[in-house]
Amino acid sequence: QVQLQESGPGLVKPSQTLSLTCTVSGGSINSADYYWSWIRQPAGKGLEWIGRIYTSGSTNYNPSLKSRVTISVDTSKNQFSLKLSSVTAADTAVYYCARLALWGYFDLWGRGTLVTVSS
Amino acid sequence: QSVLTQPPSASGTPGQRVTISCSGSSSNIGSNTVNWYQQLPGTAPKLLIYSNNQRPSGVPDRFSGSKSGTSASLAISGLQSEDEADYYCAAWDDSLNGHYVFGTGTKVTVL
Repeated sequence: QVQLQESGPGLVKPSQTLSLTCTVSGGSINSADYYWSWIRQPAGKGLEWIGRIYTSGSTNYNPSLKSRVTISVDTSKNQFSLKLSSVTAADTAVYYCARLALWGYFDLWGRGTLVTVSS
Repeated sequence: QSVLTQPPSASGTPGQRVTISCSGSSSNIGSNTVNWYQQLPGTAPKLLIYSNNQRPSGVPDRFSGSKSGTSASLAISGLQSEDEADYYCAAWDDSLNGHYVFGTGTKVTVL
């Protein structure tokens, strides 16, 4: 079955760019039925949607993060990626990648990866 | 910041019925379907209810969802110890070029 796996550095310095990749296995990222999305969760807090991308490259971002976020897709590698620039300690969180059905629900999640912003 | 408001906690004894509310606005719940996610401790969220009241395969029928106007609710009937988790409502929001919003989350405790 389809699985998602996040990967990337677990520690990022303040003011630098956080970069994560989500690898889709067991299925094609080139599906017309889904968007691909990033969500984060600071320790002990709630979920925050970061953004989504369609295989065409079309994106939508959280208005509160839009100026710092870039989500891209590499269909040849069956991967999509997140870049978050100018990070601060407030960006420390578990980052999840997830599959977003066209009907508007996340039906598949990665296990999440903890990213800590610290010098 | 969350724009869907949930009570921070809810509790019940095994077998009881627990209800969680989710309050939004015309641009999110009022215009789009509501989904619910269950997050067990230390794990990724899992889809529990989609399109207001639909259960994915494998979700017990003691979980049910409903929506009315700009509010939604999740009900857990016959509460079980394994239902102790955080629950989040969510919906697409049509404002600001469109974005997805989650609720503030509700911690359900089985007494």
